[in-house]
Amino acid sequence: AAGVIQSPRHLIKEKRETATLKCYPIPRHDTVYWYQQGPGQDPQFLISFYEKMQSDKGSIPDRFSAQQFSDYHSELNMSSLELGDSALYFCASSHAGQGEKTQYFGPGTRLLVL
Amino acid sequence: QKEVEQDPGPLSVPEGAIVSLNCTYSNSAFQYFMWYRQYSRKGPELLMYTYSSGNKEDGRFTAQVDKSSKYISLFIRDSQPSDSATYLCAMVIQGAQKLVFGQGTRLTINP
Repeated sequence: AAGVIQSPRHLIKEKRETATLKCYPIPRHDTVYWYQQGPGQDPQFLISFYEKMQSDKGSIPDRFSAQQFSDYHSELNMSSLELGDSALYFCASSHAGQGEKTQYFGPGTRLLVL
Repeated sequence: QKEVEQDPGPLSVPEGAIVSLNCTYSNSAFQYFMWYRQYSRKGPELLMYTYSSGNKEDGRFTAQVDKSSKYISLFIRDSQPSDSATYLCAMVIQGAQKLVFGQGTRLTINP
């Protein structure tokens, strides 16, 4: 079965640079979620989108923005990167009919900020 | 204090043993309870979700919810070395989007 696709899988950036992470949800899934997982930490919710509209917002820094496009893929844009932004960034998707309880996660993008 | 507490382990058991993983929570508004398995350097994989108090079984896995005690458990029967992973409990308020995770328990099944 098709899964959530994230790109790139690994990314190395310098402080104050920008990064764009992409997420392609499972086909026919219309809701996308972004999570950040620091080393040895549990995933922390950043933001979610349903039908291209922001549906919920968590602890996402103002330096980060995200959007969902008409084909349901999503992009997380991160600016003025800081060392503390180094983490695994997961995208998850679900179908509205199943709801928030069935979020399927992608493999993640490992971001390292030097 | 975190909304969801989970013993991080590590937990090491012999192959074939019954494993019990647990989480407690403080927010009575949580409606759905999920268990995820995460292998090293991989994304969390949804194992099961439950809604009401009681048991839900899926193969070797049984999820148990006790809303009165704000306590959930995942039991793994006939544990296999391939079950070695970090197990994360997660919860969500109905209608909300964000999952609130426990810290995860690192489990090792020894052959």
